[in-house]
Amino acid sequence: AQKVTQAQTEISVVEKEDVTLDCVYETRDTTYYLFWYKQPPSGELVFLIRRNSFDEQNEISGRYSWNFQKSTSSFNFTITASQVVDSAVYFCALIQGAQKLVFGQGTRLTINP
Amino acid sequence: DAGVTQSPTHLIKTRGQQVTLRCSPKSGHDTVSWYQQALGQGPQFIFQYYEEEERQRGNFPDRFSGHQFPNYSSELNVNALLLGDSALYLCASSLGGRAYGYTFGSGTRLTVV
Repeated sequence: AQKVTQAQTEISVVEKEDVTLDCVYETRDTTYYLFWYKQPPSGELVFLIRRNSFDEQNEISGRYSWNFQKSTSSFNFTITASQVVDSAVYFCALIQGAQKLVFGQGTRLTINP
Repeated sequence: DAGVTQSPTHLIKTRGQQVTLRCSPKSGHDTVSWYQQALGQGPQFIFQYYEEEERQRGNFPDRFSGHQFPNYSSELNVNALLLGDSALYLCASSLGGRAYGYTFGSGTRLTVV
């Protein structure tokens, strides 16, 4: 069975601090995709990044960076110099069978001014 | 370019009643997937519709049913509502029957009393 675990239920930091959200996944597939989504209070899930299982290159997009390590089945997400607008619930997800996403429980991130 | 539109945004129903939720996909998308997100949890896959057929189904009882229309819009029906059906119901659209490139709507918040 496929599973995504986000062990951090809630994180609270002060603005401008760096913060890392952890994600560990389980799958027997050799080909898979991993995702990160942001869910603001409005409810919609905002796509942040997709990474396939053959591409272990880390990625940086502005203040966001992602570290994918197949050896530890982890796909962690770091926000550098956090801002209040980063406050949201963040979900890590794994695609299964190309047709559905399996989500973690989510991490509620609060950035305090 | 309109994104995914869901209606209504909020709904209160009584236990035992039936409810219909609606979703219009993003322009150019032909696939609609439905997810249930209970409070404090990650979204759970209900089912996916492509070419007006249910292609894949998650672990949900037959009380949950759906339909896709020729214009690609979709409905989610839930019969014999239970208190545990209270959740945010998210619709996601994509292209070609795949979960890649999902665009999520803001959801319908269903409360069963």
